[in-house]
Amino acid sequence: QKEVEQNSGPLSVPEGAIASLNCTYSDRGSQSFFWYRQYSGKSPELIMSIYSNGDKEDGRFTAQLNKASQYVSLLIRDSQPSDSATYLCADPRMDSSYKLIFGSGTRLLVRP
Amino acid sequence: DVKVTQSSRYLVKRTGEKVFLECVQDMDHENMFWYRQDPGLGLRLIYFSYDVKMKEKGDIPEGYSVSREKKERFSLILESASTNQTSMYLCASSLPPPGTSGTSSYNEQFFGPGTRLTVL
Repeated sequence: QKEVEQNSGPLSVPEGAIASLNCTYSDRGSQSFFWYRQYSGKSPELIMSIYSNGDKEDGRFTAQLNKASQYVSLLIRDSQPSDSATYLCADPRMDSSYKLIFGSGTRLLVRP
Repeated sequence: DVKVTQSSRYLVKRTGEKVFLECVQDMDHENMFWYRQDPGLGLRLIYFSYDVKMKEKGDIPEGYSVSREKKERFSLILESASTNQTSMYLCASSLPPPGTSGTSSYNEQFFGPGTRLTVL
C-alpha cells in the first residue's frame, strides 16, 4: 500500500463548479499536509498547507484534514480553466529527514 | 519570496558523459533535495542534504551522486549518463524545523523550475 494515495483522474468539472480533490494516507501519526499545483511542463508550486484537523480556507481554496478517517482534501470553488493542472498532496515526515511523501497526483480539467 | 534556481532548463547529453546539474537557493534553507519526475512514476527522491557537506540517499540514488560545499548550492552529478536517466530533474529546498525560525511552518519544500535532461 502506498503511503499517500490519490486518484490519477482526470477529474473534469465545468467552469464555475467546485472541484474536490482527495488524498488518503496510511501513517496515523501524520500531523499536516501540503497541496502542490503543477502545470504541465512546470515544477510543483505550494498552494496550501494544513497543520491541524479541520478546514483551512485561502481564497477559492479550502483544505480539509480528517485525521480520524486519514484523508485530506482540497476544494476549489468557482473553478477556472486556469486551475487545470495536476494537484499533488504531500505528507511531511516528522523525523529528521525533512522528507515529503508525495502522492502521484490528480489531474484536474476545468471545461470552459 | 523564496527563489530556487537551476542551472539549465533543457539539457541534451550523450551516453557516458558526466553531467552536472546545479541548484541554488537564496533563502538560507538548511535542507535541499533532488527529485526526478517521470510520467506514471511521480516524484522520486534521489538525494537530500540537511547541512553543508551532509548528504543522505533518497529512494533512487543509484547512478547519481551529490555535492554540497556551500549552504545555498546543491549539485547533482550523473557520473556516466545513461538513456534511462532521461527525465525531468527537480531541486527543492525547505524551511528549517520548528523552533529555529520563529515560524510554525516547516518542511514546506519550494521547487526550482526543473531541468529536462535528455540522454542520447
